[in-house]
Amino acid sequence: DIVMTQSPSSLAVSAGETVTINCKSSQSLFGSVRQKNYLAWYQQKPGQSPKLLIYLASTRESGVPDRFIGSGSGTDFTLTISSVQAEDLANYYCQQYYDTPYTFGAGTKLELK
Amino acid sequence: EVKLVESGGGLVQPGRSLKLSCAASGFSFNDYWMGWVRQAPGKGLEWIGEINQDSSTINYTPSLKDKFTISRDNAQNTLYLQMSKLGSEDTAIYYCASSPWGWFAYWGQGTLVTVSS
Repeated sequence: DIVMTQSPSSLAVSAGETVTINCKSSQSLFGSVRQKNYLAWYQQKPGQSPKLLIYLASTRESGVPDRFIGSGSGTDFTLTISSVQAEDLANYYCQQYYDTPYTFGAGTKLELK
Repeated sequence: EVKLVESGGGLVQPGRSLKLSCAASGFSFNDYWMGWVRQAPGKGLEWIGEINQDSSTINYTPSLKDKFTISRDNAQNTLYLQMSKLGSEDTAIYYCASSPWGWFAYWGQGTLVTVSS
């Protein structure tokens, strides 16, 4: 199975800051056929279902604010949230779908400082 | 509007079976892969498995393959998860989700399964 390692596990921020969440996979997620990285990012607020933010490592889902930016390739990926707002406080998960079983990172909890 | 509504959760005794359903609406159900994800209380997300449009391909996470069965009824726009030999480790919120190409675009609200005597 592909292991997804997220860091940090938690992050305390002030509104307006820029934050970076890292996700590392145990093998490359780059698909040679489609020339894309098979990685997604989700946001989960307390008591809610996860919400898709980013797929194919850097494609923002429709309706997701442009302050959410996905980047990276191969085994190292990053979710950057610029100018964090109070509504962004949540848990964030990366997920690989390069190979089954698809696997999630353990999550990063974004908290208010 | 896309809607996924899970049902069938509840309290179940260890060793028993339970079948969850997920009713889909607002999109062309039979054009999409569908999947199940679970989340134990206070824990992260765990991928259970997925099923393709005509049920010819079903993938599972290996540790659950002998306990869980995913199926679908395209005529009823419904996804199912049959769970057997349940243990306390299966206590979780179970989500169904639509899967365009491996990522999960839309999620249901989840249904809580509690395994306890």
